[in-house]
Amino acid sequence: ETGVTQSPTHLIKTRGQQVTLRCSSQSGHNTVSWYQQALGQGPQFIFQYYREEENGRGNFPPRFSGLQFPNYSSELNVNALELDDSALYLCASMYAGATDTQYFGPGTRLTVL
Amino acid sequence: GQQLNQSPQSMFIQEGEDVSMNCTSSSIFNTWLWYKQDPGEGPVLLIALYKAGELTSNGRLTAQFGITRKDSFLNISASIPSDVGIYFCAGFAYSGAGSYQLTFGKGTKLSVIP
Repeated sequence: ETGVTQSPTHLIKTRGQQVTLRCSSQSGHNTVSWYQQALGQGPQFIFQYYREEENGRGNFPPRFSGLQFPNYSSELNVNALELDDSALYLCASMYAGATDTQYFGPGTRLTVL
Repeated sequence: GQQLNQSPQSMFIQEGEDVSMNCTSSSIFNTWLWYKQDPGEGPVLLIALYKAGELTSNGRLTAQFGITRKDSFLNISASIPSDVGIYFCAGFAYSGAGSYQLTFGKGTKLSVIP
């Protein structure tokens, strides 16, 4: 086990709705990243948070946003859901400045109808 | 942007055989990581490589970080049924402003025939 937890496990939404996914990082980790994994693909980097601020972003539109809290838990918010947003959403935590290694949670499976 | 080319896409092997998969990139990475993902779960770290030329083992797994820092391979010796899954290579690059971005390959799906 990596110590990274995510909730909920599964979620079904309809197009146009908004969704919030949650992640609890491994103890002592100050950096969290979120990834989107479409079926049959590798994870794609959405963004990274360090000390409650976004400090890196992949090719995702602004309707993908996030928060990191002082206890290093975090949220991924997606507005105006589209069918293509259906995917496994993964969070990964690390301690910036230590070895460059990220540990993943089990993911949240989002289905948009 | 950075892309990782991972091959083969899928493999069917007999139990006990050795397996080899590799990843190449058009860009240099600071770190190469190999993950295994089972259905419905997140990727689990298998091996991390931090220096060009580094060869690292973890039980039956061996991985190497290419000298050019643009490639890596993973070998699995004497495969067993629980090796079934999808293996991903991932390159870690520091992209400035304290941001570490992990770029993944598309995965190698391994099937082991008992």
